Amino acid sequence: GAVVSQHPSRVICKSGTSVKIECRSLDFQATTMFWYRQFPKQSLMLMATSNEGSKATYEQGVEKDKFLINHASLTLSTLTVTSAHPEDSSFYICSARPGTGGETQYFGPGTRLLVL
Amino acid sequence: GESVGLHLPTLSVQEGDNSIINCAYSNSASDYFIWYKQESGKGPQFIIDIRSNMDKRQGQRVTVLLNKTVKHLSLQIAATQPGDSAVYFCAESMDSSYKLIFGSGTRLLVRP
Repeated sequence: GAVVSQHPSRVICKSGTSVKIECRSLDFQATTMFWYRQFPKQSLMLMATSNEGSKATYEQGVEKDKFLINHASLTLSTLTVTSAHPEDSSFYICSARPGTGGETQYFGPGTRLLVL
Repeated sequence: GESVGLHLPTLSVQEGDNSIINCAYSNSASDYFIWYKQESGKGPQFIIDIRSNMDKRQGQRVTVLLNKTVKHLSLQIAATQPGDSAVYFCAESMDSSYKLIFGSGTRLLVRP
């Protein structure tokens, strides 16, 4: 149990286009979902916290107008990278925290974004 | 801002030996700590966790030790296997936010 999926797993896009990444909790309802970014050989950096039905909370330095987050249901959160540029190329990972409580987060497999 | 784990060392061990991976954290208010394993191109995989009211917790082949006095966390892997080769991250959290702050990670290489 506690499986989190992401789609797509890999995406290549042209500079200036927008890319949507989906994060789904497959067998549980997620009260909270988190979005992370990871550059090569670096750690995971939290971008934002997403609660179902409310606006996401962004970490300092993360542009909310560039990284649009929507948590429309208890099993789905989306991250849209708007007007992507090469410096946005990264590994984007989501995690989900079950609504049953506790601190445990289950991570998705990640999405590799390459902006040309 | 506060951070966890200021280094990214590489630990190379012989298959069958025990591994010890260390992590320093700086937020004294953190009360929940987790170790994750990340293989190349994949998301983090939960290994073991520990709350701040404990000093030690054991799992299958893994043990986590917490020293709150010096803000230090360690992960011990017994009888290290080739499949243990990965990058290991510690992470800290405070109950109220559930946010995880990750350390910089340690790469574990297991020599056959």
